[in-house]
Amino acid sequence: NAGVMQNPRHLVRRRGQEARLRCSPMKGHSHVYWYRQLPEEGLKFMVYLQKENIIDESGMPKERFSAEFPKEGPSILRIQQVVRGDSAAYFCASSPSGLPLNSPLHFGNGTRLTVT
Amino acid sequence: AQTVTQSQPEMSVQEAETVTLSCTYDTSESDYYLFWYKQPPSRQMILVIRQEAYKQQNATENRFSVNFQKAAKSFSLKISDSQLGDAAMYFCAYRGSNYQLIWGAGTKLIIKP
Repeated sequence: NAGVMQNPRHLVRRRGQEARLRCSPMKGHSHVYWYRQLPEEGLKFMVYLQKENIIDESGMPKERFSAEFPKEGPSILRIQQVVRGDSAAYFCASSPSGLPLNSPLHFGNGTRLTVT
Repeated sequence: AQTVTQSQPEMSVQEAETVTLSCTYDTSESDYYLFWYKQPPSRQMILVIRQEAYKQQNATENRFSVNFQKAAKSFSLKISDSQLGDAAMYFCAYRGSNYQLIWGAGTKLIIKP
């Protein structure tokens, strides 16, 4: 029973390039959340998606960042024209439903993005 | 807006001893959940324990227990019989009516052999 799978585990990009981070939720989970963790900090919410729908993207920067969760395939977090400040660990979590509040979130191992 | 504060950037404990990690939060909601997550060097975020705000009884999971003080908005984690494998970053997190998890900055736990 595979958990939340994120790839790649490490991603190095030069400034101005695009970064694509992938997340496959646990089997049977239809809700995906993306969080960003800067060094020495806790996680910060970015976006919440259901299949083919963005439910809440209030934590996403307005420019250069986008996310999708298509009917088939993994969820993708896309960062265009990366800058050094985008360097962070990006975590994906999934749940079988967005509510109730005690619905547990299962996290992947994260993707560490380094922008050079 | 809700906030979560972990005032101890780093804690150390002797193996087999007990350690308590502190967490306070601020909210105006009455119904919410609190969590402790562990993040070892592998970077995986592992759920350690969770507490429902409406429950007065403190949650317990084997060597891990919490001291939940709702009026004081305090949610500390106690680790008994500390083991080397407990060394990690520990994060306190809050989840209210908004499904978003609000995280503290973390406490690095060092286990001395």
